Amino acid sequence: DQQVKQNSPSLSVQEGRISILNCDYTNSMFDYFLWYKKYPAEGPTFLISISSIKDKNEDGRFTVFLNKSAKHLSLHIVPSQPGDSAVYFCAASVTSGTYKYIFGTGTRLKVLA
Amino acid sequence: DVKVTQSSRYLVKRTGEKVFLECVQDMDHENMFWYRQDPGLGLRLIYFSYDVKMKEKGDIPEGYSVSREKKERFSLILESASNNQTSMYLCASSPRQGRNTEAFFGQGTRLTVV
Repeated sequence: DQQVKQNSPSLSVQEGRISILNCDYTNSMFDYFLWYKKYPAEGPTFLISISSIKDKNEDGRFTVFLNKSAKHLSLHIVPSQPGDSAVYFCAASVTSGTYKYIFGTGTRLKVLA
Repeated sequence: DVKVTQSSRYLVKRTGEKVFLECVQDMDHENMFWYRQDPGLGLRLIYFSYDVKMKEKGDIPEGYSVSREKKERFSLILESASNNQTSMYLCASSPRQGRNTEAFFGQGTRLTVV
């Protein structure tokens, strides 16, 4: 049972345009959400996160939106750059009890120059 | 600078061998994790540990065991390697539960079982 889902396996965007990556979750106990970026043959690197008490968090070109009622979060990258081409994973956790991170299946973003 | 180090970038092992994957973190983190990454399946949690000698099964623990004798070191053991354990293995660590913080990953170990 996939608790965190990324339904788009891939996405192509022109350089300079907006990239929108989506993530859905099923467990209403999740209260902290993260986005990671991964290049081939490297470990994932943390990008941005959001607590369930917020609905938006921004860091430079990256913004994460959280819609708790829909159990949906999205990552916006504006403007997209060729160096953003990577696989993006969303992750969720429950910050009480046993603390572990559940990841989605990933979305491969390709930014076209 | 935070660091999670996995002992090998690439490993090739034979079917039936016992395989040890080592991970060390220098951040004094309480939590450590082992994931595997496979195409179309994302990152799946194998085991995690929230303290020395403490461990919990993740989503896919079958065929694996772990050891955490020291806070900084978390080992993943493949008792008898099989072809379907060919994968990218990723170790991560994070601070104590209850804090909003991210997990820090190592560079990964690409294991091929032949």
